[in-house]
Amino acid sequence: DSGVTQTPKHLITATGQRVTLRCSPRSGDLSVYWYQQSLDQGLQFLIQYYNGEERAKGNILERFSAQQFPDLHSELNLSSLELGDSALYFCASSVFSENEQFFGPGTRLTVL
Amino acid sequence: KNEVEQSPQNLTAQEGEFITINCSYSVGISALHWLQQHPGGGIVSLFMLSSGKKKHGRLIATINIQEKHSSLHITASHPRDSAVYICAVGGGAQKLVFGQGTRLTINP
Repeated sequence: DSGVTQTPKHLITATGQRVTLRCSPRSGDLSVYWYQQSLDQGLQFLIQYYNGEERAKGNILERFSAQQFPDLHSELNLSSLELGDSALYFCASSVFSENEQFFGPGTRLTVL
Repeated sequence: KNEVEQSPQNLTAQEGEFITINCSYSVGISALHWLQQHPGGGIVSLFMLSSGKKKHGRLIATINIQEKHSSLHITASHPRDSAVYICAVGGGAQKLVFGQGTRLTINP
């Protein structure tokens, strides 16, 4: 158990819908990262937050947004969902940006 | 050409064999990560290194910054080591870039 929690574990929804994925980092970790893992693209970095501020941005679509709250938990919002958004979404956390990252169990999103 | 290349893509070995997985990268980095992903999907961070060598149990990771190359070794391999091993580079203010992974199967 990495200490990083993600909810929900599984999510099935329809195209055009909006969902919110939640991540609670390890106690004491200030940095939160979001990753997408799809069958054809592998693991891809989406976005990083550090102590509530956006720190780095990767291949995140405009339909996706994220935030980190004062209690350091983070949410990833996915809207206008398409079939191609079906993937595993991982959250990871670290103390600072330069430290080892600890991964949550992931949320498996299926868009029908 | 991908920024991070792993080899081999698939590796099958017998229990007890010495395993080597390679990772080459083409970008400047602050750190290299080795991750393990089990069939259930969970990802575990094995190593984060920026120079030299690290050892944890039967696992050894090395990195050569000049050659932009890293290796992950598993000694006395066991069926429970069967997983996908992923190399990722970046860290700090750099976004992580991932290799495609090496699927390792250890047969008893």
